Amino acid sequence: KQEVTQIPAALSVPEGENLVLNCSFTDSAIYNLQWFRQDPGKGLTSLLLIQSSQREQTSGRLNASLDKSSGRSTLYIAASQPGDSATYLCAVIGSTLGRLYFGRGTQLTVWP
Amino acid sequence: EAQVTQNPRYLITVTGKKLTVTCSQNMNHEYMSWYRQDPGLGLRQIYYSMNVEVTDKGDVPEGYKVSRKEKRNFPLILESPSPNQTSLYFCASSLSTGADGYTFGSGTRLTVV
Repeated sequence: KQEVTQIPAALSVPEGENLVLNCSFTDSAIYNLQWFRQDPGKGLTSLLLIQSSQREQTSGRLNASLDKSSGRSTLYIAASQPGDSATYLCAVIGSTLGRLYFGRGTQLTVWP
Repeated sequence: EAQVTQNPRYLITVTGKKLTVTCSQNMNHEYMSWYRQDPGLGLRQIYYSMNVEVTDKGDVPEGYKVSRKEKRNFPLILESPSPNQTSLYFCASSLSTGADGYTFGSGTRLTVV
């Protein structure tokens, strides 16, 4: 069964720092990988979707990379802001039935 | 606006009183699914549906029912809710099995007393 791990579980940084959030998965036979943001008690907002044939995707200050062979993805946040404070979830989309497998998330706090 | 709509957003109910959480999407998506989110356990899939009249169990289906009579709707039914079903519930949809990623609803916070 696919296992998804996110490191670190929590991160607290001052405003302006560049950040790297890590995601690893055990089965490299994935379809796609999707990064989400979740504010406390709220829904999941999609940030980036990386197709299995791609190596990275960019949106504004966010950049996500994917290395299927090593089972890793990273989410890079440039010039962090207090508004980036949230939990970031990595989800692997399995090649069978498109099942979503979630990591436990990285809780990010950016202080002014 | 393309979206997944869940109702209600918040619900407090008593043990044993049947309830339904509705989910509707306006994107003509084939694939829909339900998740629950609990502290320390993350997001776990309850049921999923690959198309109309096609549903299957996820990882934690006990105590839940679903139906998919129309493409846009995928309600979650708790026939006899119990306190261990207190959780944050999410509905999600995708055009096909994840090819273009998933869109999530805003969530339903359910408390069973």
